[in-house]
Formats: sequence, structure tokens, C-alpha cells
Amino acid sequence: DAKTTQPPSMDCAEGRAANLPCNHSTISGNEYVYWYRQIHSQGPQYIIHGLKNNETNEMASLIITEDRKSSTLILPHATLRDTAVYYCIVRVRGSARQLTFGSGTQLTVLP
Amino acid sequence: DTAVSQTPKYLVTQMGNDKSIKCEQNLGHDTMYWYKQDSKKFLKIMFSYNNKELIINETVPNRFSPKSPDKAHLNLHINSLELGDSAVYFCASSQENGGVSPLHFGNGTRLTVT
Repeated sequence: DAKTTQPPSMDCAEGRAANLPCNHSTISGNEYVYWYRQIHSQGPQYIIHGLKNNETNEMASLIITEDRKSSTLILPHATLRDTAVYYCIVRVRGSARQLTFGSGTQLTVLP
Repeated sequence: DTAVSQTPKYLVTQMGNDKSIKCEQNLGHDTMYWYKQDSKKFLKIMFSYNNKELIINETVPNRFSPKSPDKAHLNLHINSLELGDSAVYFCASSQENGGVSPLHFGNGTRLTVT
């Protein structure tokens, strides 16, 4: 299973876009990139996932590089409620073997 | 209408006791999981059940035993609790059936062993 690396922490001003990077240089062709976040004292929450095309939903956008070795999660207009730990993981389609989540990126949205 | 619910939310007990944590999901998913989050915030998978069958059993002490009475429930029983078992335990579910279903997590059970 591929592993991911993320910066330990980032700050973002409220109302600005938050861009969270993730490296997954050993990702396989059949592995998807998933993003979750964990707000303090809550269970992790699914945000978005993708294979190779860029994806957008009501929460965020996911940009995956052409070589698929890295991706960026974009929160277009960060709010204080977006302060959380953001996790990037990869997994194979149809595999029930969910990876251990890494340490993630602590995003702090500043007023 | 909580999707994945765990009980209890907090559990304080003494070393050597046996305790259980219950988990139920109403999403109709076919796979359920138990994760452990330690003080360093790493989330590690412990067990995974697919349609009541154990499919993942990571390296955890055999004092931990999952039990799945049906597809919607996955309980975690812990025997002879130790100080190092103190952590937050999360239940999750997903629909695996060949798809790419994301995980849906409960809000966790904070276990404190004294």
C-alpha cells in the first residue's frame, strides 16, 4: 500500500482558499486518493476522493497531478469551522483494507 | 438518525476489568471497522468485518475480540484491560462490494484505564 506525506501544520486566513498538499509518490495505478478531516473530539469525516481526474464537491476540490504522485485539497473559502486535522490516504478500489491514517495536517483558520 | 453510533462515549475503568464498546450503523453498509487513535493522534485499523466475517485482523493483542451479531453491528470486547489500552476507539462502516465507498465514522469512545 502506498504511503502519504503531509506537512504537520498550516494556517489560513478566514475567507481565503486553503490549499493542503499531499505526496503519494509510490501510488499504484489502481489506488484512489481520499481526503478526510477530523474536527476536535469528533470522528473523521469524509471530504472527497479521486483517481486521476480533478474532482469537486460541495465541500472541496481535489487536484491530482498528472503523474499522480501528489495531490492538493482546496477549501475555496475557509471558515473557522474548517479548523481540523486533514488526512490524505490512498486505497485500492474495492479493498476493504483501509490504511492506517498518518498524522495529517493540522489546519488552523485564523480570523 | 445518526449513521454510525457508538456507546458509550466515555468509559473509565480499572486495570484488569473486561469491557465492551458497541457500534451500530444504519447505512446498510456491508463492512464495519474498529480503529484506535492513540495520544499521538494516529488512527490505526484494528479489525474489519465484511458481512459478519472477519477480513482484517491487524496486530492487536488477543485480549481484543470483535463480535458481529449482524451486518449492522460490530462490538468490541476487551479483556483484562491495561493502562496502554487508554485511547479513543472509533467504529466505521463502508459499502465495499467492489466500489470505492468512503468510510463513515462514529464519534468515538474515549477509554481511560486507571
